[in-house]
Amino acid sequence: DGGITQSPKYLFRKEGQNVTLSCEQNLNHDAMYWYRQDPGQGLRLIYYSQIVNDFQKGDIAEGYSVSREKKESFPLTVTSAQKNPTAFYLCASSITSSNIQYFGAGTRLSVL
Amino acid sequence: QQQVKQSPQSLIVQKGGISIINCAYENTAFDYFPWYQQFPGKGPALLIAIRPDVSEKKEGRFTISFNKSAKQFSLHIMDSQPGDSATYFCAASLSNYGQNFVFGPGTRLSVLP
Repeated sequence: DGGITQSPKYLFRKEGQNVTLSCEQNLNHDAMYWYRQDPGQGLRLIYYSQIVNDFQKGDIAEGYSVSREKKESFPLTVTSAQKNPTAFYLCASSITSSNIQYFGAGTRLSVL
Repeated sequence: QQQVKQSPQSLIVQKGGISIINCAYENTAFDYFPWYQQFPGKGPALLIAIRPDVSEKKEGRFTISFNKSAKQFSLHIMDSQPGDSATYFCAASLSNYGQNFVFGPGTRLSVLP
């Protein structure tokens, strides 16, 4: 089955801790994205990558970091600098020249 | 200019009724308008999309109506079913620039049996 796999489904972060959210896709898509979803708000773009070893900041990149060492993988690290990390995090991918984004099932991050 | 407004915030419809969700955008450069459907605990999935060269697009029970001059577009769900109960997001973007998606805040639809 082709698709986007996010793990874990639920994640808890302690104060001062960095946590990493996994996103893997087997759709052979070049572009990958990370969004944050808060209740009553639309999806907000954190980071995106159009090609391996290259990524750009989105609208709310502060307190987050990413890497793109492989085409299939785009992990997101929520650093201790992100003071309000509680949210639902969504990873997506697309063909570079296409508007159609395919989403994973999300990771819900909470603070202990 | 990048904002997409969406209304209503929540909607309750009886089974068999018509659900209507409205969106408005500001940036006239947007040329791709998708609707996404999201079930609780899941990621959004593309439902239907339209480009501004047409005023309406229909796929099964789902129809997008597009008014370019008013910078508005809407989703109509005909014969609404309890299985349609989900959150619906409209979005707008520039062609071939996926990173320029702007999402509306979402509408939570509940279809009563």
